[in-house]
Amino acid sequence: DAGITQSPRHKVTETGTPVTLRCHQTENHRYMYWYRQDPGHGLRLIHYSYGVKDTDKGEVSDGYSVSRSKTEDFLLTLESATSSQTSVYFCAISQLGLAAFSYNEQFFGPGTRLTVL
Amino acid sequence: AQSVTQLDSHVSVSEGTPVLLRCNYSSSYSPSLFWYVQHPNKGLQLLLKYTSAATLVKGINGFEAEFKKSETSFHLTKPSAHMSDAAEYFCVTLETGANNLFFGTGTRLTVIP
Repeated sequence: DAGITQSPRHKVTETGTPVTLRCHQTENHRYMYWYRQDPGHGLRLIHYSYGVKDTDKGEVSDGYSVSRSKTEDFLLTLESATSSQTSVYFCAISQLGLAAFSYNEQFFGPGTRLTVL
Repeated sequence: AQSVTQLDSHVSVSEGTPVLLRCNYSSSYSPSLFWYVQHPNKGLQLLLKYTSAATLVKGINGFEAEFKKSETSFHLTKPSAHMSDAAEYFCVTLETGANNLFFGTGTRLTVIP
């Protein structure tokens, strides 16, 4: 999986609790992304980062925050988890930005399955 | 706005027979299009990508896709299915000028022995 790890791989939590998911890469790629995957929706972008401390919102960013203090780590935080955030979360990386280089490939991590009860 | 529509949520084929997974796109401009595959409990892997260099795109594992502007289609094909091809396949397009990929809803391919 192109040197991308996600932790934890599975998590069950209760409504209202904070949750942080971690994505770690060893590829030194500049861009990192968080997606969620839900049945009938494919993958949808939550947030992405284009460098250390540089982040931007994606299509479904409400209820999520991100941080990137080091090139290799991109954290996704659910401040107060809700049942609607039960999903599979994927991290992805790319060496170059998709906007400028549309043929650039994203590499995906193995995913984190989050269940909010 | 760019979008893709995968016409079949589930396709079932016999091993050794051809595979056709259908995708239509919607775009005002020349789109960037991709096919990704996701095996069970795995991340996504790029199969192939269209970047306007050639309308017939060859990818990994014997897959190919043809860009047809007149039909706004980018269907994925393979001449002969293998058991290892059983997976979920996503047609994806890129939002012009943005760092956002738009995914189709996926087609689950089942290969019958």
